[in-house]
Amino acid sequence: KAGVTQTPRYLIKTRGQQVTLSCSPISGHRSVSWYQQTPGQGLQFLFEYFSETQRNKGNFPGRFSGRQFSNSRSEMNVSTLELGDSALYLCASSLVFVSNTGELFFGEGSRLTVL
Amino acid sequence: EDQVTQSPEALRLQEGESSSLNCSYTVSGLRGLFWYRQDPGKGPEFLFTLYSAGEEKEKERLKATLTKKESFLHITAPKPEDSATYLCAVQARGTSGSRLTFGEGTQLTVNP
Repeated sequence: KAGVTQTPRYLIKTRGQQVTLSCSPISGHRSVSWYQQTPGQGLQFLFEYFSETQRNKGNFPGRFSGRQFSNSRSEMNVSTLELGDSALYLCASSLVFVSNTGELFFGEGSRLTVL
Repeated sequence: EDQVTQSPEALRLQEGESSSLNCSYTVSGLRGLFWYRQDPGKGPEFLFTLYSAGEEKEKERLKATLTKKESFLHITAPKPEDSATYLCAVQARGTSGSRLTFGEGTQLTVNP
């Protein structure tokens, strides 16, 4: 079956712009979480959605937001981009909100470069 | 605050040269410790979940072990295709959902 699909895979923006990233989870998966990956910080949790509701939020400023649609697809938005927002943004899906195994299925990520 | 520290940052091995990667963690009650593998340009891929001290899991040339303060990923007779970044993550008891705290990873290179 198809894996987690993230679009776009690469994008370049300038400071002050905003960006929207999309994630389609594995069919049947209802939980979608987002992570930011940078060389210095590793993977950091942004937020998680389940049944169209944000269930968890990491320590990121309000410029980072997201939503989930009824078909479980999710989008995240970053407004007023800063140079430090350059990163690989990873989406992960799981079948249920609380998994017994903790197994997350990650997409290949959207690589954002802010100039 | 949950913390995960992985060492070494990078490791170069010759094919067949066994070694171990370390993951030290601090968490207020461990719900689970997870190992992932990440290839360049790809998202992390799940390997193992360990729940309690003394537990071990194996998959091909990889074996993960867990103590109360750290986990080890042992790689026996590695092959070049084992080259990847190995990530360790923890989840504290009482954490809802899929929120994990990751370490920065160990970049493993296996030369033929």
